[in-house]
Amino acid sequence: GESVGLHLPTLSVQEGDNSIINCAYSNSASDYFIWYKQESGKGPQFIIDIRSNMDKRQGQRVTVLLNKTVKHLSLQIAATQPGDSAVYFCAENTGANSKLTFGKGITLSVRP
Amino acid sequence: DSGVTQTPKHLITATGQRVTLRCSPRSGDLSVYWYQQSLDQGLQFLIHYYNGEERAKGNILERFSAQQFPDLHSELNLSSLELGDSALYFCASSPWDRQNSPLHFGNGTRLTVT
Repeated sequence: GESVGLHLPTLSVQEGDNSIINCAYSNSASDYFIWYKQESGKGPQFIIDIRSNMDKRQGQRVTVLLNKTVKHLSLQIAATQPGDSAVYFCAENTGANSKLTFGKGITLSVRP
Repeated sequence: DSGVTQTPKHLITATGQRVTLRCSPRSGDLSVYWYQQSLDQGLQFLIHYYNGEERAKGNILERFSAQQFPDLHSELNLSSLELGDSALYFCASSPWDRQNSPLHFGNGTRLTVT
């Protein structure tokens, strides 16, 4: 398949363990944050989002935590599965021109 | 399947040429966004259209242009192509004008300039 990020940091986890993917954002005025998953050869796929008036939001097997004090966002994946192997991007709405700014991405590799 | 369709999937062309990438947004979505993804730059915002009007420009070169048609599909035109333009080009759509709701991405067009 196609590779979208040969030089990205990699997180390797054992199948069945929980994964935590971290992201530092840049703008304290950002009011919307989102996580995407990108598999080889595909476009980014929406996972979960959170607005700045919240500090936690849960989805199916995923949780997003927002710490505005230190401008930190994390994605927690419970019981990680081989199908979770992908590149994960966080993005923030910086307000200016109301556009999403994406982070560089982190590769999640799940060991069987 | 996100519902966003991009064509072609792959495009190989020579330096100096011009190409057109096409995007059909999800049914009902009025906003179309174009992003460029390269190995060393990640996802870079190029341009945003809402209901036929340009709303915002990002890191889009003057050699690149886009438009959104009355049927809401969009085209990204890349001209005087250079080797460095080789990248994945993604289109995304959403119902709204502001990027504070999920964007839904197509599977991209891989452009190779030789």
